[in-house]
Amino acid sequence: GQQLNQSPQSMFIQEGEDVSMNCTSSSIFNTWLWYKQDPGEGPVLLIALYKAGELTSNGRLTAQFGITRKDSFLNISASIPSDVGIYFCAGQDEDGSARQLTFGSGTQLTVLP
Amino acid sequence: EAGVTQFPSHSVIEKGQTVTLRCDPISGHDNLYWYRRVMGKEIKFLLHFVKESKQDESGMPNNRFLAERTGGTYSTLKVQPAELEDSGVYFCASSQGSGGAHEQYFGPGTRLTVT
Repeated sequence: GQQLNQSPQSMFIQEGEDVSMNCTSSSIFNTWLWYKQDPGEGPVLLIALYKAGELTSNGRLTAQFGITRKDSFLNISASIPSDVGIYFCAGQDEDGSARQLTFGSGTQLTVLP
Repeated sequence: EAGVTQFPSHSVIEKGQTVTLRCDPISGHDNLYWYRRVMGKEIKFLLHFVKESKQDESGMPNNRFLAERTGGTYSTLKVQPAELEDSGVYFCASSQGSGGAHEQYFGPGTRLTVT
């Protein structure tokens, strides 16, 4: 099956710093999504990307859909304590009826005061 | 608008027992998905309903897992009999629409522990 390689696996940063994480795939996805999961909660959608090359922002978050459709990155600027959590990338292949999401293994973000 | 809800939030059962998880999707969402995250690994797809029909169940691990969505509203996922490797967090998600990419909204998950 399809697999996403997400890196880094974990990050420790100081409050106020910028952070970047990315996902790569050996196969093409038509949609890339970025989710954040807080402890005890389900993943919450942060950003959805629908076109190759698309760059989308949501507040301090910026994500890009790679031009090859095989990768995506997420940047968080000026991190704050509430950014702590696990960030997941997910790809979606819309061929036919396949609308399942393929997830990366997650990036655990810790923001130090 | 109420989000996706799941019940129970936690379940601890012994190997060989049966457990049934429930998911209530966002009202009006035809698409309902089950996912599972085992031992800190990636979240993996189990199956996808469109209304009451199983659209894709390619991710179901084996025949000990049975999912239903009678009436096209809430869904249940039964594990019978449970094995140790079934432990993990089971997520349900829903989305609207019938074609193309649609954003999936996740419930809080059910943490299943099989001892």
